[in-house]
Amino acid sequence: NAGVTQTPKFQVLKTGQSMTLQCAQDMNHNSMYWYRQDPGMGLRLIYYSASEGTTDKGEVPNGYNVSRLNKREFSLRLESAAPSQTSVYFCASASDRRGYEQYFGPGTRLTVT
Amino acid sequence: QKEVEQNSGPLSVPEGAIASLNCTYSDRGSQSFFWYRQYSGKSPELIMSIYSNGDKEDGRFTAQLNKASQYVSLLIRDSQPSDSATYLCAVHGQNFVFGPGTRLSVLP
Repeated sequence: NAGVTQTPKFQVLKTGQSMTLQCAQDMNHNSMYWYRQDPGMGLRLIYYSASEGTTDKGEVPNGYNVSRLNKREFSLRLESAAPSQTSVYFCASASDRRGYEQYFGPGTRLTVT
Repeated sequence: QKEVEQNSGPLSVPEGAIASLNCTYSDRGSQSFFWYRQYSGKSPELIMSIYSNGDKEDGRFTAQLNKASQYVSLLIRDSQPSDSATYLCAVHGQNFVFGPGTRLSVLP
């Protein structure tokens, strides 16, 4: 099992450009999450999906959109990147049968210039 | 906004000692509590989950939960240099909230 995979690993964007971060899990989990991690700020929830076909905002959703394409895949889109979106982005998945223990992907390091 | 607080550290302990990491949370409705370890440049790795009051042991790790005091702790016995990392406390109530993390340094 690969667990949770994310692409790309690194990305540099110019202000105003758009991009989509991809996430996939092979653990048959219902719930998936997108976080950003900034120095001194910890992990902050951007969006989550409790099941296929549903998405909800987290703590910091502004400037982002998400799509739960199917049970395996959950993508995060930046429509018009801003320097404030420079961060490390983590995707995670969890099973409600295991108390929502979250398992994380390797992360995407995004720089917006 | 529901909060999770941790001492930022760094917490330094000698090799072989017990490291004690603490976490408090504000959402009284929280039901699930987790400790993650994160090495520099890597993703968080789940090390312990606890759901009811009391202690839960797994190898050198013991998680302690006191819902009345809204307090979760993690003890690491016989600390090793490889335990040097940032430890994140996470609480699942209305939503998933992570604390800022405590940096642990185990000195050889």
